[in-house]
Amino acid sequence: GAGVSQSPRYKVAKRGQDVALRCDPISGHVSLFWYQQALGQGPEFLTYFQNEAQLDKSGLPSDRFFAERPEGSVSTLKIQRTQQEDSAVYLCASSIPSPDTQYFGPGTRLTVL
Amino acid sequence: SQQGEEDPQALSIQEGENATMNCSYKTSINNLQWYRQNSGRGLVHLILIRSNEREKHSGRLRVTLDTSKKSSSLLITASRAADTASYFCATGSGGSYIPTFGRGTSLIVHP
Repeated sequence: GAGVSQSPRYKVAKRGQDVALRCDPISGHVSLFWYQQALGQGPEFLTYFQNEAQLDKSGLPSDRFFAERPEGSVSTLKIQRTQQEDSAVYLCASSIPSPDTQYFGPGTRLTVL
Repeated sequence: SQQGEEDPQALSIQEGENATMNCSYKTSINNLQWYRQNSGRGLVHLILIRSNEREKHSGRLRVTLDTSKKSSSLLITASRAADTASYFCATGSGGSYIPTFGRGTSLIVHP
């Protein structure tokens, strides 16, 4: 079956631009996670949804970062007024209610110039 | 902040050799997972070991967990060039659904 998909795969933004990153989880997966992965580092947690409810957003680095999942399926991570330090790969993962195994998408590589 | 730390940071071996990667963590855990990430791709779940387990096998993978030393190891036997990737451990603690990843070990298997 289809896995987690993310779009776009690559995004180049000028500093100060707003960007929106999309995640399509595996159908039926209740839980959805966003991570930020800097070059040479492991994924760092950003935020977590259970269905449409955002249960944890403690990892969002600033109020320029906003995530939503209005219908409990597709999720969008929005970054306003992008800065160079926002350059990273943004990974989305989904899982069934059991939290053990997460299925990751290929990521969106964001480069802010 | 990252709970797990993998060691070594980089490992280069020949095809057919075994590869061992270690993960150390700081606080008590419920489970520990290992993931693989090929260059430019997302992470793929390899194996999960719970805190009351000491060893698990999956194909050519063997994972051990020593909670007294707060460490885990991932052994890949008879490595193949296709095993070239970064390997991450991720710990789960308390009632949290959120795994905490380490920085990873970069494995290169030369054909």
